[in-house]
Amino acid sequence: NAGVMQNPRHLVRRRGQEARLRCSPMKGHSHVYWYRQLPEEGLKFMVYLQKENIIDESGMPKERFSAEFPKEGPSILRIQQVVRGDSAAYFCASSLAGSSYEQYFGPGTRLTVT
Amino acid sequence: GESVGLHLPTLSVQEGDNSIINCAYSNSASDYFIWYKQESGKGPQFIIDIRSNMDKRQGQRVTVLLNKTVKHLSLQIAATQPGDSAVYFCAGSSSGNTGKLIFGQGTTLQVKP
Repeated sequence: NAGVMQNPRHLVRRRGQEARLRCSPMKGHSHVYWYRQLPEEGLKFMVYLQKENIIDESGMPKERFSAEFPKEGPSILRIQQVVRGDSAAYFCASSLAGSSYEQYFGPGTRLTVT
Repeated sequence: GESVGLHLPTLSVQEGDNSIINCAYSNSASDYFIWYKQESGKGPQFIIDIRSNMDKRQGQRVTVLLNKTVKHLSLQIAATQPGDSAVYFCAGSSSGNTGKLIFGQGTTLQVKP
């Protein structure tokens, strides 16, 4: 029973490039959440999605960041024109429909911007 | 805004002793709390949760206590083992906010053999 999958696990991008982070939720889960973690800090909520819908994007930066969860395939977090301050660990979590609180996390993608 | 915070950044205990990790929150509307364990290089791992209509919940070797009067919760780990060494986060949510979790800063638990 596979858990939440994220890839890549490590991603290095130069300033100005685009970063695409993928998340496959646990089997049967249709709710996906993205969080960002800076070194030595807790996780900060970014966005909550259901299939083909953004439910809450109150934690997303206004520019350069976008997220989607298509009908088929993984959820994607896209960061355009990355800057050094985007360097962080990005975690995806998923939950069952109607059980938004029990969120199970993936291993994360560690983004480094050089 | 709402916040969730932990009292101590680091806690060091002897193997076999009990550990208590504390957390405070600011939002009276918070009605659900989770404790996560995060090992180095890994994602947070669910430990135990509690809803605001309870003041105590027990799992295997872990107990969570919730004091809504002073907006405080704690995680107790019995007979702490070296494998318990990790960063522990409390997170809170309120029923009106779509499941968004607010995380505290984390407490690093170090278990001495």
